[in-house]
Amino acid sequence: QKEVEQDPGPLSVPEGAIVSLNCTYSNSAFQYFMWYRQYSRKGPELLMYTYSSGNKEDGRFTAQVDKSSKYISLFIRDSQPSDSATYLCAMSEYRGGGNKLTFGTGTQLKVEL
Amino acid sequence: SAVISQKPSRDICQRGTSLTIQCQVDSQVTMMFWYRQQPGQSLTLIATANQGSEATYESGFVIDKFPISRPNLTFSTLTVSNMSPEDSSIYLCSLMTGDREKLFFGSGTQLSVL
Repeated sequence: QKEVEQDPGPLSVPEGAIVSLNCTYSNSAFQYFMWYRQYSRKGPELLMYTYSSGNKEDGRFTAQVDKSSKYISLFIRDSQPSDSATYLCAMSEYRGGGNKLTFGTGTQLKVEL
Repeated sequence: SAVISQKPSRDICQRGTSLTIQCQVDSQVTMMFWYRQQPGQSLTLIATANQGSEATYESGFVIDKFPISRPNLTFSTLTVSNMSPEDSSIYLCSLMTGDREKLFFGSGTQLSVL
């Protein structure tokens, strides 16, 4: 079993839809949770970062963490074609003297006009 | 966040050859990281490169195959040696600034080995 599970998609939604992207994890030692956005032929870009259970909002994006269920989500409101990208979840734990990040495989999102 | 310049952006190489990927940062950083991103797989850390010391490799990666240089605090290279088609992947350099949990990436090198 992978430490982090993420549905690869692809997920196709109409413009303006609310998008829900999810990851589950099995390692209770994960303390920090991140979402990255990766456009085609580009490196991942840090989108959201949180370290506690609950919601964190930034514009049209909301990151939700439920540590009791080992489940994190990213919601995108009023989705736009420019949101079309691959979304990677990432989690970190303190291990071996430093923070170690574990990534999901990414969910490919397409927002259609 | 720091500006990370990585080159080449893509290359097509022959089996048995080597490719060196360069990563330049616009500010001094202590730790730089090299990742591999294979289709359908999660980002995998190859090694951590600290200036002035040997790189630290993750399980499954060895220095002979992926030699790394870190001559100063703004530059690093990763060489993919004696390439085979299995090395076809995206290679990414990255760094942490400020909060140590936040990782920033270069634009990546798309490598295809024939």
